[in-house]
Amino acid sequence: NAGVTQTPKFRILKIGQSMTLQCAQDMNHNYMYWYRQDPGMGLKLIYYSVGAGITDKGEVPNGYNVSRSTTEDFPLRLELAAPSQTSVYFCASNQGNTEAFFGQGTRLTVV
Amino acid sequence: RKEVEQDPGPFNVPEGATVAFNCTYSNSASQSFFWYRQDCRKEPKLLMSVYSSGNEDGRFTAQLNRASQYISLLIRDSKLSDSATYLCVVNGANAGNMLTFGGGTRLMVKP
Repeated sequence: NAGVTQTPKFRILKIGQSMTLQCAQDMNHNYMYWYRQDPGMGLKLIYYSVGAGITDKGEVPNGYNVSRSTTEDFPLRLELAAPSQTSVYFCASNQGNTEAFFGQGTRLTVV
Repeated sequence: RKEVEQDPGPFNVPEGATVAFNCTYSNSASQSFFWYRQDCRKEPKLLMSVYSSGNEDGRFTAQLNRASQYISLLIRDSKLSDSATYLCVVNGANAGNMLTFGGGTRLMVKP
């Protein structure tokens, strides 16, 4: 059972570079989420999606973009990486009122 | 007022102690409730769901108080391995009917 799969696990970016964090789930969940977590802090919602073709901003969307062309995939795009985007990124999914399942996270450093 | 609020702690307790955390939520129409555990630099994992009648899983007991809009987690006979951050999660805390995470309560169990 794969659950929620995130790639890559680690990445170092230079300022101004771009990258896409991949997230895929195989549980046919409608809801998918992207969070970032800075050291010693709580989860902050970046973007979420309630189904294919539908996305919406969370608490901290600036500097990020998402798309949801299929139920399974919810990639997060950083266009111009900045040091403030150094963080751990978690993708999660759930269905209706059920528990959320998380990916193992992507540790991103921008230098 | 935040949609889901927790005391960040840390709660420092000796092994064998009983410790309790509360979490308040703002939307009385919230549908489902969960406690997650997060270890340092790892993804959050479901500890237990919280049912209206309350539920127990070994040393852990979760309660829901809809009238006062809070959920609680009680840990009996604390172990060193219980040291972690405990996240309160509410479904339907906001208009989007999606999961909302509290900021987490840090527990440190000392020998």
